[in-house]
Amino acid sequence: AQTVTQSQPEMSVQEAETVTLSCTYDTSENNYYLFWYKQPPSRQMILVIRQEAYKQQNATENRFSVNFQKAAKSFSLKISDSQLGDTAMYFCAFMKNLGYSTLTFGKGTMLLVSP
Amino acid sequence: DSGVTQTPKHLITATGQRVTLRCSPRSGDLSVYWYQQSLDQGLQFLIQYYNGEERAKGNILERFSAQQFPDLHSELNLSSLELGDSALYFCASSGTPTIGTGGQWDYGYTFGSGTRLTVV
Repeated sequence: AQTVTQSQPEMSVQEAETVTLSCTYDTSENNYYLFWYKQPPSRQMILVIRQEAYKQQNATENRFSVNFQKAAKSFSLKISDSQLGDTAMYFCAFMKNLGYSTLTFGKGTMLLVSP
Repeated sequence: DSGVTQTPKHLITATGQRVTLRCSPRSGDLSVYWYQQSLDQGLQFLIQYYNGEERAKGNILERFSAQQFPDLHSELNLSSLELGDSALYFCASSGTPTIGTGGQWDYGYTFGSGTRLTVV
């Protein structure tokens, strides 16, 4: 079974600064998929970024980028130029197969962006 | 609008009662997943259905059951409710992965907005 660990329950950052959220996971699979989801106060689950394990290049989506270290089973999320709207709970998640597969989530990191 | 519709949005009921949560997947998606988000357990996978058949089961209590109907909507039934069942229940759906315009696989995993269940 897969496990996902987020060791930072809460983090704070000031607007325009950069913050990194940590995630580690454990799996015996060689090919898999990793995700970061954002859950704002509205409670909607919003996909932020995803990484395929077979790709060495780190994924980027505008201000969001990941540092994927497959050997270390580490998958951190970097948010650059933080904005007030980035305030949310962030979940790291693991998926074994693309498409028809379930997600295993970490406990989440609450990120607060202040002016 | 994500395309996945969950009803009701909020539900308040008493201990011992039974409730039904409904999920309509995104058009064309054959797979439906149910997740529970509670303060102490975090986000947990409950059960998955694919085209009417149970596909995978997670940490779902025996008091809970689900089904997927021929029109692909799904219902999650929660019975003999306890205070600890108070949680946000998410439904998600997915379809066949396709390649998007940027050459990246679109896995199409979409969440609904959830049903907030409060047991009093």
